[in-house]
Amino acid sequence: DAGITQSPRHKVTETGTPVTLRCHQTENHRYMYWYRQDPGHGLRLIHYSYGVKDTDKGEVSDGYSVSRSKTEDFLLTLESATSSQTSVYFCAIRDGPTYGYTFGSGTRLTVV
Amino acid sequence: DQQVKQNSPSLSVQEGRISILNCDYTNSMFDYFLWYKKYPAEGPTFLISISSIKDKNEDGRFTVFLNKSAKHLSLHIVPSQPGDSAVYFCAASAFGGTSYGKLTFGQGTILTVHP
Repeated sequence: DAGITQSPRHKVTETGTPVTLRCHQTENHRYMYWYRQDPGHGLRLIHYSYGVKDTDKGEVSDGYSVSRSKTEDFLLTLESATSSQTSVYFCAIRDGPTYGYTFGSGTRLTVV
Repeated sequence: DQQVKQNSPSLSVQEGRISILNCDYTNSMFDYFLWYKKYPAEGPTFLISISSIKDKNEDGRFTVFLNKSAKHLSLHIVPSQPGDSAVYFCAASAFGGTSYGKLTFGQGTILTVHP
């Protein structure tokens, strides 16, 4: 999908376990974002990055952490998964001068 | 505190007719608005956008209208086609300062176009 890949595509995990989702881009874009999609809420921003090692919180960051050690990779970690974190997670990239995001295909995470 | 709202969860229209999707926002700092389309099991894709200095933007069958005084925007699809059936998300951003291009999304509207 236009140089952005999310892995895994699907994951089932148990409550209390740590989980890491990966977003990989080949576009060398500076800005990367993690969103979650839930019925009735649309897409909500979890964390974002504006450069290597430069990250900040979004509106629903509790229980999540991120890391960006390379331009191409943006990792989202659920430190101790809870059932409320069952969701579809989308990564997005944005080039500086343009306004539209390019989204990955998503990761469907189920916490049981 | 939902800053971008799409109050219609779903919309059903007949093929060939007009589809009108609505979106309201509360944050007066928003200066750029976008519409995204999403099919099942895929990521959202960018459809059309409008800057706050304009009140209309057209791209083929898609037109977005912005009414800043009412803090309201709408997406018109004419004529509607069955392939337009998808979830449509409205999004907004305040592109100045330290916004870093963050988008705030609405809840989405499921559009179904019947043949």
